[in-house]
Formats: sequence, structure tokens, C-alpha cells
Amino acid sequence: EDQVTQSPEALRLQEGESSSLNCSYTVSGLRGLFWYRQDPGKGPEFLFTLYSAGEEKEKERLKATLTKKESFLHITAPKPEDSATYLCAGTGGAQKLVFGQGTRLTINP
Amino acid sequence: KAGVTQTPRYLIKTRGQQVTLSCSPISGHRSVSWYQQTPGQGLQFLFEYFSETQRNKGNFPGRFSGRQFSNSRSEMNVSTLELGDSALYLCASSLEDWALGYTFGSGTRLTVV
Repeated sequence: EDQVTQSPEALRLQEGESSSLNCSYTVSGLRGLFWYRQDPGKGPEFLFTLYSAGEEKEKERLKATLTKKESFLHITAPKPEDSATYLCAGTGGAQKLVFGQGTRLTINP
Repeated sequence: KAGVTQTPRYLIKTRGQQVTLSCSPISGHRSVSWYQQTPGQGLQFLFEYFSETQRNKGNFPGRFSGRQFSNSRSEMNVSTLELGDSALYLCASSLEDWALGYTFGSGTRLTVV
């Protein structure tokens, strides 16, 4: 059975303190690994798609990387507005995403 | 451009009743997926439709059903509601090339009492 596990469950950082979120996956025939951001009361907002090991993508203070077993979301010099739940999801191409439980990130000013 | 629109935003229903939720995808998106989000289970896949055909279904009982219309709008129905069906129901749409990302709506918060 396909599975995605995220760690830590929650992370509290000071503004400007860089860190990384982890996403471990066992998805048969992985065709894509997605990162989403979700704010309270809203639907997930698309951030990145990664396709193959070694791939990296960046957007503002966020950088996502992918290995054969894990993906990392690196947050550099975060700001309070980066506070949200970050979700990782994998797909084997069967038109469905398998989501992790998410990491709840809080950035204190 | 308009995003994915889900209606209603909030619903309160009684056990045993049935409910219908609606989703209008982004213009041009022909794939519509439905997910259930709960604090305990996270986001779980319900089903996916493309050009009015269900292409994939998650591990949910037959009380959960859906359909898609020729204009790509989709509805999901839950019959004989149970307390455990209380959740945020999210709809996502995408182009045929899913790799460009799925766009989610803000969801329908269903409470079963």
C-alpha cells in the first residue's frame, strides 16, 4: 500500500531561523511528488511538483528536493507569513494523490 | 481567473440524512477529484472524474458517490450520513496533464449531528 509520512508533526521557529521539513514515501511507480501549503479554513495551495531523484525546485524562501525515498522542503530565513501546514503527496499516476499528515509550521516574529 | 468553487461552504446535517456537495472546476480543467480531510486521517482520496467518467475510486463505502457533468462540474453525494462523515470535503481540478498541479477549492465543511 502506498504511504507518505511527514516529520515533524509540528515545528516552531523564530523569524529568520532556517530549517527543513521531511517527507518519506513508499509510492509504487512514483510519477510525481507534490508539496502544498494549507492555511486554516482554506484548501491546499500548490507549491511544487518533483518528478525524479535529484530534482530541485525553488520558490521565494522555499526549496524542495527529492531523493529515491524522501523529499525535503527547505525554508530559508522564514517570515511569520510562512506559518501554515505543509503537505506532501505522492502519485503513481492513477489520478490520485496519497497525502502525508502534514507539518504544522509556526514562525514567531 | 476564477479558482475552484465549492458550494456550500458549511453544512449541518442529521444522522441518516443524505447530502450533495457541488464543485465547479477551473475553466478548461476536465479532471475533478474529491478528498475527505479529517484531523485523524488527514486527506484521503475519494474519487476522480474525467470527461464524465470515474477513473479511480478510493477506499470508501458505497454511501459515497459522485458524478461529473458535460461542463466538467461535479457533485458528490453521501447517503445515510454517519457521525464519522463529519469532515472537510475538498475538490481539486487539473488539466489532463496532472503534473502541472491540482488546484483545490476551499472545501465544504460538513458536520453531522
